[in-house]
Amino acid sequence: AQSVTQLGSHVSVSEGALVLLRCNYSSSVPPYLFWYVQYPNQGLQLLLKYTSAATLVKGINGFEAEFKKSETSFHLTKPSAHMSDAAEYFCAVSGVGDMRFGAGTRLTVKP
Amino acid sequence: DGGITQSPKYLFRKEGQNVTLSCEQNLNHDAMYWYRQDPGQGLRLIYYSQIVNDFQKGDIAEGYSVSREKKESFPLTVTSAQKNPTAFYLCASSIGFGRDKDTQYFGPGTRLTVL
Repeated sequence: AQSVTQLGSHVSVSEGALVLLRCNYSSSVPPYLFWYVQYPNQGLQLLLKYTSAATLVKGINGFEAEFKKSETSFHLTKPSAHMSDAAEYFCAVSGVGDMRFGAGTRLTVKP
Repeated sequence: DGGITQSPKYLFRKEGQNVTLSCEQNLNHDAMYWYRQDPGQGLRLIYYSQIVNDFQKGDIAEGYSVSREKKESFPLTVTSAQKNPTAFYLCASSIGFGRDKDTQYFGPGTRLTVL
C-alpha cells in the first residue's frame, strides 16, 4: 500500500516569492508521484508526474518537483509566485493498487 | 476536444431522495473513478471501474451505487442511505489501472447539497 502526507494545510507567500509545498510519501514499491492543482469549484488538473525517468520533474505553469528517495519526499516548488497560483494543491502516489491523494495544501498569494 | 464532463454542476436534493450524478468521457479510457471531496479531507475514493461491466468499492462506498454499462459512462447514485451526502463529487478516468496507465484526469465536479 502507499500513502502521502502533505505538510501544512495552508501556505501563504508574497507575490514574487518562492513557493514550496511539501509532500512525503510511503510506498512498498518504487512509487509514481503526482502533483495536481485545483481552483475553486473546479476539478483537479495535472501539474506534473514522476515516473522514475528523472528525479527533477518540470511541469506546467513554471512548477517543478524533485524526487528524493533518501528523504521519501516530492516537494513542489516555483521560483516566483504569481497571483494566479492561488489554489489548492494535491500530492498523490501510485504503486500498488489505486492512487492515493494527500489532504491538500491551500496556497495563498499576497500582493 | 477530448475530456470528461460531469452534470449537473450544482445539485440540490431533499433528504430521503436518491440522486444520480452523470460522468461521461470521450478519452477512450478503460478506467473510471468517483471521489468525494470534503473541506480539509482531500479526496476519498467511492468506487472505481477498471473495465466495462465491472466495478469495485473504494474506501467510502456505503450509501452509493454505480454502473458501468458503457465505456464512456460511469454514473454515481447517491442513495438515501448515505448519512451525510452534501459534498463535492469528482469523476476521473485513466487509460487503465496500475502503474504506467493510471494517471488520472478529472472532470469539473458536481456540488451536491442536501436540503
